[in-house]
Amino acid sequence: KNQVEQSPQSLIILEGKNCTLQCNYTVSPFSNLRWYKQDTGRGPVSLTIMTFSENTKSNGRYTATLDADTKQSSLHITASQLSDSASYICVVIDGGFKTIFGAGTRLFVKA
Amino acid sequence: ETGVTQSPTHLIKTRGQQVTLRCSSQSGHNTVSWYQQALGQGPQFIFQYYREEENGRGNFPPRFSGLQFPNYSSELNVNALELDDSALYLCASSYRLAGGDTQYFGPGTRLTVL
Repeated sequence: KNQVEQSPQSLIILEGKNCTLQCNYTVSPFSNLRWYKQDTGRGPVSLTIMTFSENTKSNGRYTATLDADTKQSSLHITASQLSDSASYICVVIDGGFKTIFGAGTRLFVKA
Repeated sequence: ETGVTQSPTHLIKTRGQQVTLRCSSQSGHNTVSWYQQALGQGPQFIFQYYREEENGRGNFPPRFSGLQFPNYSSELNVNALELDDSALYLCASSYRLAGGDTQYFGPGTRLTVL
Protein backbone atom coordinates (compact mmCIF):
# COMPACT_ATOMS: atom_id res chain seq x y z
CA LYS A 1 0.00 0.00 0.00
CA ASN A 2 1.34 3.42 -0.97
CA GLN A 3 1.93 5.44 2.17
CA VAL A 4 3.71 8.58 3.30
CA GLU A 5 4.63 8.84 6.97
CA GLN A 6 5.94 11.97 8.64
CA SER A 7 7.66 12.57 11.94
CA PRO A 8 7.44 14.11 14.38
CA GLN A 9 3.71 14.76 14.52
CA SER A 10 4.39 18.12 16.14
CA LEU A 11 7.41 20.12 17.13
CA ILE A 12 8.07 23.21 19.27
CA ILE A 13 11.28 25.19 18.76
CA LEU A 14 12.60 28.59 19.76
CA GLU A 15 12.93 31.35 17.23
CA GLY A 16 16.32 31.31 15.55
CA LYS A 17 16.87 27.58 16.02
CA ASN A 18 17.11 24.99 13.24
CA CYS A 19 14.93 21.92 12.86
CA THR A 20 14.57 18.89 10.62
CA LEU A 21 11.35 17.18 9.64
CA GLN A 22 11.28 13.61 8.36
CA CYS A 23 9.29 11.84 5.67
CA ASN A 24 9.34 8.12 4.84
CA TYR A 25 7.39 6.72 1.92
CA THR A 26 6.53 3.39 0.37
CA VAL A 27 5.14 4.76 -2.89
CA SER A 28 6.02 2.85 -6.04
CA PRO A 29 6.62 3.64 -8.81
CA PHE A 30 7.99 6.98 -7.70
CA SER A 31 7.72 10.13 -9.77
CA ASN A 32 8.57 13.01 -7.47
CA LEU A 33 8.41 14.27 -3.90
CA ARG A 34 7.23 17.68 -2.71
CA TRP A 35 7.20 19.56 0.53
CA TYR A 36 4.37 21.99 1.21
CA LYS A 37 3.81 24.58 3.92
CA GLN A 38 0.22 25.02 5.07
CA ASP A 39 -0.77 27.90 7.31
CA THR A 40 -3.88 27.36 9.42
CA GLY A 41 -7.02 27.76 7.34
CA ARG A 42 -5.10 28.22 4.09
CA GLY A 43 -4.24 25.98 1.16
CA PRO A 44 -0.79 24.35 1.02
CA VAL A 45 2.02 26.26 -0.69
CA SER A 46 4.79 24.42 -2.52
CA LEU A 47 8.29 24.71 -1.02
CA THR A 48 10.32 22.19 -3.03
CA ILE A 49 9.86 19.50 -5.65
CA MET A 50 12.42 16.76 -6.29
CA THR A 51 12.59 14.02 -8.87
CA PHE A 52 14.33 10.66 -8.52
CA SER A 53 17.73 12.00 -9.57
CA GLU A 54 17.82 14.97 -7.20
CA ASN A 55 19.33 14.64 -3.74
CA THR A 56 18.85 18.12 -2.39
CA LYS A 57 16.95 21.27 -3.20
CA SER A 58 16.85 24.59 -1.40
CA ASN A 59 14.31 27.39 -1.23
CA GLY A 60 15.65 30.16 0.98
CA ARG A 61 15.91 28.86 4.53
CA TYR A 62 14.27 25.56 3.53
CA THR A 63 16.44 22.67 2.32
CA ALA A 64 14.94 19.35 1.31
CA THR A 65 16.89 16.13 0.85
CA LEU A 66 15.87 12.92 -0.88
CA ASP A 67 17.33 9.43 -0.61
CA ALA A 68 15.46 7.41 -3.23
CA ASP A 69 17.22 4.19 -2.17
CA THR A 70 15.95 4.30 1.40
CA LYS A 71 12.78 6.18 0.41
CA GLN A 72 13.39 8.93 2.89
CA SER A 73 13.23 12.69 2.68
CA SER A 74 13.88 15.49 5.13
CA LEU A 75 13.07 19.17 5.29
CA HIS A 76 15.58 21.32 7.17
CA ILE A 77 14.59 24.79 8.31
CA THR A 78 17.42 27.13 9.19
CA ALA A 79 17.22 30.07 11.59
CA SER A 80 13.50 29.62 12.23
CA GLN A 81 11.15 32.58 12.33
CA LEU A 82 7.77 33.00 14.00
CA SER A 83 6.18 32.94 10.54
CA ASP A 84 7.48 29.40 10.03
CA SER A 85 4.77 28.19 12.43
CA ALA A 86 2.61 26.01 10.18
CA SER A 87 2.02 22.45 9.07
CA TYR A 88 4.62 20.97 6.73
CA ILE A 89 3.30 18.29 4.46
CA CYS A 90 5.33 15.74 2.52
CA VAL A 91 3.70 14.64 -0.73
CA VAL A 92 4.77 11.83 -3.05
CA ILE A 93 3.54 11.51 -6.63
CA ASP A 94 3.51 8.04 -8.13
CA GLY A 95 4.14 7.09 -11.73
CA GLY A 96 0.45 7.47 -12.56
CA PHE A 97 0.38 11.04 -11.19
CA LYS A 98 -1.56 9.91 -8.12
CA THR A 99 -0.81 12.16 -5.16
CA ILE A 100 -0.23 10.69 -1.71
CA PHE A 101 -0.07 13.14 1.19
CA GLY A 102 1.52 12.64 4.56
CA ALA A 103 -0.41 13.75 7.64
CA GLY A 104 2.00 16.64 8.16
CA THR A 105 4.21 17.90 10.96
CA ARG A 106 2.82 20.77 12.98
CA LEU A 107 5.65 23.21 13.75
CA PHE A 108 5.35 25.84 16.47
CA VAL A 109 8.06 28.52 16.64
CA LYS A 110 8.13 30.42 19.93
CA ALA A 111 9.77 33.75 20.68
CA GLU B 1 -1.42 34.29 -3.71
CA THR B 2 -1.55 31.32 -6.10
CA GLY B 3 -4.16 32.60 -8.54
CA VAL B 4 -6.45 29.67 -7.72
CA THR B 5 -9.79 30.70 -6.31
CA GLN B 6 -12.52 28.64 -4.67
CA SER B 7 -16.10 29.39 -3.78
CA PRO B 8 -17.77 29.54 -1.43
CA THR B 9 -15.29 29.98 1.40
CA HIS B 10 -17.62 28.49 3.98
CA LEU B 11 -20.75 26.40 3.67
CA ILE B 12 -23.15 24.76 6.10
CA LYS B 13 -25.41 21.93 4.93
CA THR B 14 -27.53 19.29 6.58
CA ARG B 15 -27.19 15.54 6.24
CA GLY B 16 -28.68 14.20 3.02
CA GLN B 17 -28.34 17.44 1.07
CA GLN B 18 -26.23 17.98 -2.03
CA VAL B 19 -23.43 20.51 -2.45
CA THR B 20 -21.43 21.97 -5.34
CA LEU B 21 -18.02 23.52 -4.76
CA ARG B 22 -16.26 25.55 -7.42
CA CYS B 23 -12.65 26.16 -8.37
CA SER B 24 -11.06 28.53 -10.86
CA SER B 25 -7.65 27.39 -12.01
CA GLN B 26 -4.58 29.52 -12.44
CA SER B 27 -4.34 30.86 -15.97
CA GLY B 28 -2.70 28.40 -18.37
CA HIS B 29 -3.24 25.34 -16.17
CA ASN B 30 -4.96 22.31 -17.67
CA THR B 31 -5.11 20.00 -14.66
CA VAL B 32 -7.14 20.30 -11.50
CA SER B 33 -7.14 18.05 -8.47
CA TRP B 34 -9.55 17.98 -5.54
CA TYR B 35 -8.68 17.02 -1.98
CA GLN B 36 -10.54 16.54 1.28
CA GLN B 37 -8.73 17.60 4.43
CA ALA B 38 -10.17 16.67 7.80
CA LEU B 39 -9.14 18.74 10.79
CA GLY B 40 -5.57 17.93 11.83
CA GLN B 41 -5.01 15.57 8.91
CA GLY B 42 -3.23 15.76 5.60
CA PRO B 43 -5.29 16.21 2.43
CA GLN B 44 -6.80 13.08 0.91
CA PHE B 45 -6.89 12.84 -2.88
CA ILE B 46 -10.43 12.73 -4.29
CA PHE B 47 -9.85 12.89 -8.04
CA GLN B 48 -8.02 14.73 -10.78
CA TYR B 49 -9.19 16.15 -14.10
CA TYR B 50 -6.90 16.67 -17.07
CA ARG B 51 -8.29 18.40 -20.14
CA GLU B 52 -11.89 17.77 -19.00
CA GLU B 53 -11.41 14.02 -18.41
CA GLU B 54 -11.18 12.31 -15.05
CA ASN B 55 -7.57 11.16 -14.71
CA GLY B 56 -7.29 9.31 -11.44
CA ARG B 57 -9.48 8.84 -8.40
CA GLY B 58 -8.85 8.20 -4.73
CA ASN B 59 -10.88 6.06 -2.33
CA PHE B 60 -14.05 8.11 -2.38
CA PRO B 61 -17.56 6.80 -3.13
CA PRO B 62 -19.42 7.65 -6.36
CA ARG B 63 -21.48 10.31 -4.58
CA PHE B 64 -18.34 12.43 -4.97
CA SER B 65 -18.29 13.55 -8.59
CA GLY B 66 -16.70 16.32 -10.57
CA LEU B 67 -16.51 18.28 -13.76
CA GLN B 68 -13.86 20.27 -15.56
CA PHE B 69 -14.98 22.88 -18.05
CA PRO B 70 -13.34 24.01 -21.32
CA ASN B 71 -11.84 27.00 -19.48
CA TYR B 72 -10.36 24.45 -17.04
CA SER B 73 -12.40 25.63 -14.08
CA SER B 74 -13.89 22.79 -12.08
CA GLU B 75 -16.71 21.68 -9.81
CA LEU B 76 -16.86 19.13 -7.04
CA ASN B 77 -20.32 17.72 -6.35
CA VAL B 78 -21.18 15.71 -3.28
CA ASN B 79 -24.57 14.02 -3.00
CA ALA B 80 -26.32 12.60 0.07
CA LEU B 81 -24.06 14.47 2.47
CA GLU B 82 -22.90 12.66 5.60
CA LEU B 83 -21.59 14.11 8.84
CA ASP B 84 -18.09 12.79 8.02
CA ASP B 85 -18.04 14.91 4.88
CA SER B 86 -17.35 17.93 7.09
CA ALA B 87 -13.87 19.05 6.06
CA LEU B 88 -11.80 21.59 4.17
CA TYR B 89 -12.03 20.92 0.44
CA LEU B 90 -9.01 22.03 -1.52
CA CYS B 91 -8.52 22.29 -5.23
CA ALA B 92 -5.13 22.51 -6.86
CA SER B 93 -4.35 23.47 -10.43
CA SER B 94 -1.26 22.64 -12.42
CA TYR B 95 0.12 22.35 -15.92
CA ARG B 96 0.90 18.72 -16.71
CA LEU B 97 4.62 18.22 -17.35
CA ALA B 98 6.71 15.07 -17.66
CA GLY B 99 8.58 14.55 -14.42
CA GLY B 100 6.07 16.36 -12.28
CA ASP B 101 3.97 19.46 -12.22
CA THR B 102 3.81 22.00 -9.42
CA GLN B 103 0.36 22.23 -7.94
CA TYR B 104 -1.01 25.54 -6.80
CA PHE B 105 -3.66 25.27 -4.13
CA GLY B 106 -6.66 27.44 -3.58
CA PRO B 107 -7.64 28.64 -0.11
CA GLY B 108 -10.23 25.90 0.28
CA THR B 109 -13.92 25.66 1.06
CA ARG B 110 -14.82 24.79 4.62
CA LEU B 111 -17.88 22.50 4.54
CA THR B 112 -19.81 21.75 7.71
CA VAL B 113 -22.50 19.08 7.63
CA LEU B 114 -25.00 19.16 10.49
